[in-house]
Amino acid sequence: DQQVKQNSPSLSVQEGRISILNCDYTNSMFDYFLWYKKYPAEGPTFLISISSIKDKNEDGRFTVFLNKSAKHLSLHIVPSQPGDSAVYFCAASDRGSQGNLIFGKGTKLSVKP
Amino acid sequence: DTAVSQTPKYLVTQMGNDKSIKCEQNLGHDTMYWYKQDSKKFLKIMFSYNNKELIINETVPNRFSPKSPDKAHLNLHINSLELGDSAVYFCASVAGPVGTQYFGPGTRLLVL
Repeated sequence: DQQVKQNSPSLSVQEGRISILNCDYTNSMFDYFLWYKKYPAEGPTFLISISSIKDKNEDGRFTVFLNKSAKHLSLHIVPSQPGDSAVYFCAASDRGSQGNLIFGKGTKLSVKP
Repeated sequence: DTAVSQTPKYLVTQMGNDKSIKCEQNLGHDTMYWYKQDSKKFLKIMFSYNNKELIINETVPNRFSPKSPDKAHLNLHINSLELGDSAVYFCASVAGPVGTQYFGPGTRLLVL
């Protein structure tokens, strides 16, 4: 039973364009959401997060949007760069449960020059 | 300097063997985790330790036993390895119960 779903296993985008990665969740108790980026043969690295009290958080080229009513969040990367090519994991947490992170399956982003 | 390190990076072993994976973090974090990423790419939490005490133990077979000799180390010992244990195991740490988790590079375990 997946509580965090990333329905697109892969996404291909041209360099300079916008990349939009989507994530849906089912547990209404989740109050903290994170995006991690993972290169092959490396561990996931933190990218950006958002608390449920916000609907948008921006950090440079990366913006995360949260739509609580739809239980949906998205990561926007603009402009996309070839170095952004990686697997992106969405994760959610119910901070009342000691911060246990529930991860989606990941979306592999390929940014073509 | 590597913040969260794991050894070994690769581990190939026979069914039935006992093996250990080590994890160390030099971030001064209180909480450490073990995650398993299986062949379907799901990244699932196995254990959580806070200051050497077990906090979370998800549904994991008793053959898996975490050991935390001190706050900076969380090792994973696996007894009687099975084919289904083949996966990538990630260690992670975080400063407190809520915060950004920092992951190690992973240990790729293959059980033959």
